[in-house]
Amino acid sequence: DAKTTQPPSMDCAEGRAANLPCNHSTISGNEYVYWYRQIHSQGPQYIIHGLKNNETNEMASLIITEDRKSSTLILPHATLRDTAVYYCIVRGTGGSYIPTFGRGTSLIVHP
Amino acid sequence: DTAVSQTPKYLVTQMGNDKSIKCEQNLGHDTMYWYKQDSKKFLKIMFSYNNKELIINETVPNRFSPKSPDKAHLNLHINSLELGDSAVYFCASSQDPGDTQYFGPGTRLTVL
Repeated sequence: DAKTTQPPSMDCAEGRAANLPCNHSTISGNEYVYWYRQIHSQGPQYIIHGLKNNETNEMASLIITEDRKSSTLILPHATLRDTAVYYCIVRGTGGSYIPTFGRGTSLIVHP
Repeated sequence: DTAVSQTPKYLVTQMGNDKSIKCEQNLGHDTMYWYKQDSKKFLKIMFSYNNKELIINETVPNRFSPKSPDKAHLNLHINSLELGDSAVYFCASSQDPGDTQYFGPGTRLTVL
């Protein structure tokens, strides 16, 4: 499975958009990009995923480049409650897939 | 209703003891997982079961033994606890292997 690279930390002002980048240059054609976040001491929470097209849900938007080698998670109006570690994961499907969480990006939203 | 629940939330015990952590999911999923998150915050897969059959076993000491009595439950039994077993253990489930995972709240295990 492809590995991902994320900046270790970012910060954002409350009410502004938070744009979290992820590089996955070795992604293969059938691998999805998933994003999770972990708020302090809680279990990781699913945010969004995509294959090729950009995706949007009530939590965030996911922008995947045309070559699929990188993506950006966008929190359009960050709040203090969005302070968390954000994990970008590239995952295949099926029983042979081994879920691998990296270090993620620690996002701090400040007032 | 909590989708993925774990008990207990906290577990403090002495070295050498045997303990179990229980996990239940009410999502109707076929696949369940155990993860370990140590003090450095790395989240590592330990085991995965699909339809009660083990499909992932990631170089975990054989003191750790998962048991899946049915598709909704995946328990983790740990024998002869060691200091290095102190961590937060998360259970998760997904409809199929590779699908979106839903995590439990975690069990913080402290071995003294």
